[in-house]
Formats: sequence, C-alpha cells, structure tokens
Amino acid sequence: ETGVTQSPTHLIKTRGQQVTLRCSSQSGHNTVSWYQQALGQGPQFIFQYYREEENGRGNFPPRFSGLQFPNYSSELNVNALELDDSALYLCASTPAGDSEETQYFGPGTRLLVL
Amino acid sequence: GQQLNQSPQSMFIQEGEDVSMNCTSSSIFNTWLWYKQDPGEGPVLLIALYKAGELTSNGRLTAQFGITRKDSFLNISASIPSDVGIYFCALHPPGTYKYIFGTGTRLKVLA
Repeated sequence: ETGVTQSPTHLIKTRGQQVTLRCSSQSGHNTVSWYQQALGQGPQFIFQYYREEENGRGNFPPRFSGLQFPNYSSELNVNALELDDSALYLCASTPAGDSEETQYFGPGTRLLVL
Repeated sequence: GQQLNQSPQSMFIQEGEDVSMNCTSSSIFNTWLWYKQDPGEGPVLLIALYKAGELTSNGRLTAQFGITRKDSFLNISASIPSDVGIYFCALHPPGTYKYIFGTGTRLKVLA
C-alpha cells in the first residue's frame, strides 16, 4: 500500500475527446510525476510537478497538461485524444525531503481510446 | 533518445531456481534503479544503486552497478511464486527530473 490513489481505474473515450485523470498522494508528498505505460512497455515520463509548478517534461506534446493542488492531489489532462493515447497512466509522488528515487506509484488508470 | 535494453524479455523458471537479468544503456549514468510491477499495480522500487561496482542486496534480491556505468544486473535467489511480475530497470539522468525505464523482464515462476 503506497498511499497513492488514482481515479478512475478504467476509462473508455473516443478519438478527439478530452480526458482528466486524477491522483491523490499522501500529505507531505510535494512532488508528483506522471507516466504513460503502453502495453508491454516500460513507463514513459510525461512531466513532473513540484509545489504546483511544472519543473520537468518528457517528449509529450502540449495537449498533455497537468495541475497540482495544495491538498497533494493532481490531474493529468489530455486533449484531442488519439488512438495511441491508449495506455496505463501512472502517477508517482515523492515525500518532501526524501531522495528523488523514492517515488511511490499509484495503481494507474487504464485509458482506452476508440 | 536514451534507450535501456533489458534481457531477457521474459523467462519461465522453476520455484527455487536463481534468476538473473540485466539492463544496458547507450550512455553512462550515475544512478541505476530496479523496480517490480505486479499486475494491476504501479512499480515498486526494489534497489537503488549509486556507485560503479556497487553491490546491494534486498532480501533475496541482489543488484550490481556495472563497472562501465552502462549496465546493471539483478539477481533473485531461490525464487518463489510471489516473485512473478515485471522487473524494470530505470535511470535518472543527472540534471533532469525525468526517469527512463527499460522495457521490462517478465518473470513467471512454475511451482
């Protein structure tokens, strides 16, 4: 039990729609990262937020955006969904003061785009 | 971009056997991480390595940071059914906030 929860667990959308995925971390986890994990692949880093500001981004287009809130929750928003966006989306949080390698992952949201 | 190659891609072993897997990169890095992902769960950090040549254990798991700093190895001794899952190596390039994960080694243990 990592204390990181994600919602919804599963989601089906159609191409062109928009989606919002949510992550809730434990109190004091002020860094959150989002990953996309395609079937049979390792997680791919999307971006990281620290104290409600984006401070690092992977190779994902601007239609992937995020928010982090003062209550240690965060969102991943994806606009203009494409078929290739079908994947497991993971969030991971790090407690303040811990090393950056101490990431606690949530169970993920599985998104299917039709 | 940076790629991490893991081998083998998958393996079936008998309960009680030892397991070895490795990960190689095209560049030199200062930190190697090993994660395990169970079905329906996110990855869990098993071992972190910070120095070339370092050998670190976590129970039946032992990982080594290769001398060349371009590879790492994970060994599991006396495997048990709960070792089933996907094992990922990962890197944290210095000066960035990103983590790079390998493609994973899928382990299945036959009782």
